[in-house]
Amino acid sequence: QKEVEQNSGPLSVPEGAIASLNCTYSDRGSQSFFWYRQYSGKSPELIMFIYSNGDKEDGRFTAQLNKASQYVSLLIRDSQPSDSATYLCAVSVHGNQFYFGTGTSLTVIP
Amino acid sequence: ETGVTQTPRHLVMGMTNKKSLKCEQHLGHNAMYWYKQSAKKPLELMFVYNFKEQTENNSVPSRFSPECPNSSHLFLHLHTLQPEDSALYLCASSQVLARTTNNEQFFGPGTRLTVL
Repeated sequence: QKEVEQNSGPLSVPEGAIASLNCTYSDRGSQSFFWYRQYSGKSPELIMFIYSNGDKEDGRFTAQLNKASQYVSLLIRDSQPSDSATYLCAVSVHGNQFYFGTGTSLTVIP
Repeated sequence: ETGVTQTPRHLVMGMTNKKSLKCEQHLGHNAMYWYKQSAKKPLELMFVYNFKEQTENNSVPSRFSPECPNSSHLFLHLHTLQPEDSALYLCASSQVLARTTNNEQFFGPGTRLTVL
């Protein structure tokens, strides 16, 4: 069973703070890692993807991957109320097989 | 039209009905997917089509039947569903460049299905 674990939250941060979202996965053969944002009633939207150990930055978002610890995280700097959503972690082992976590609900308080 | 589109957006059906969900991608991708999203559960991958060929079928009940006539269109045929099949059904597409390369998926808006 390939599992992706996320803290369901809710996670609340004040506006302007850093939001830290975490994800662990069980399959050491996992190759690709994705973060999606899903607003209520909407479909998931890709925010970041990362394939290699280390950090990857894109604007206010930073993805961090540590394959030895089987851990991937997403940092959101200068959090805005519009960042309030559910964040889904997804892992791909090979081919077209993707596994998703249950998501972490984030609320940014103005 | 751009991205990934799905129709209908909402569907209510009885357990004896037959209906179909449609997905179309306008991104030039070569892989398409059906997912089921239920409350409090992870997204469940149902079917994968790569170059129009089905490559994954994650033990989905036979009352769900996929069809992929070409790399841009994907259908999910539904018959004799159960109330527990009520969920958001999401279609996604991606561009697979090599067998071991995993590329990000782009999702359609989903079909909210209610089975009475």
